[in-house]
Amino acid sequence: GIQVEQSPPDLILQEGANSTLRCNFSDSVNNLQWFHQNPWGQLINLFYIPSGTKQNGRLSATTVATERYSLLYISSSQTTDSGVYFCAVEYSTLTFGKGTMLLVSP
Amino acid sequence: DAGVIQSPRHEVTEMGQEVTLRCKPISGHNSLFWYRQTMMRGLELLIYFNNNVPIDDSGMPEDRFSAKMPNASFSTLKIQPSEPRDSAVYFCASSRTGNTEAFFGQGTRLTVV
Repeated sequence: GIQVEQSPPDLILQEGANSTLRCNFSDSVNNLQWFHQNPWGQLINLFYIPSGTKQNGRLSATTVATERYSLLYISSSQTTDSGVYFCAVEYSTLTFGKGTMLLVSP
Repeated sequence: DAGVIQSPRHEVTEMGQEVTLRCKPISGHNSLFWYRQTMMRGLELLIYFNNNVPIDDSGMPEDRFSAKMPNASFSTLKIQPSEPRDSAVYFCASSRTGNTEAFFGQGTRLTVV
């Protein structure tokens, strides 16, 4: 099946710092989504981005489908950004990476 | 829309008991997914329905697990008999079709003692 690799696995930031999370995938995909799992366990949709670039406030994402990767940018991080960020790709069904655990300290 | 609704939010049961998890997808969504999340295995797909028909159940761990979707607005995941290693968070998700944005419910945290 398709492989999804996320990096880094863990990240600690000071509030206000910027960061880039990466998602590599092993095959062509029909769909790519980024999720944030908050400390209460909820999976929150961030971006549906099979290709191109999207922005939503302090977050933006870019997917280069031909090179099989996607990037999630977090600018001016806040403590509420803490949690696990998942990339999920769809070939036949939605397959998740192992996530990047982000801790933003005040 | 209320989003994907799962019940119960938490379930604690004794080994050997039957457990039924419930899911109501977003109205108008034709695809429904059941996922399981554990520390060891992450988020893994158990089963995928399209138009109420199971399309891919290759992720269902063993015969103790079964899932049904009797109509477009309701699905169940049943574990019988339950075992401690089934303890996990079970998520239900839905999407308009198989290749569009998926939305997740809040999950059911299952503990089997």
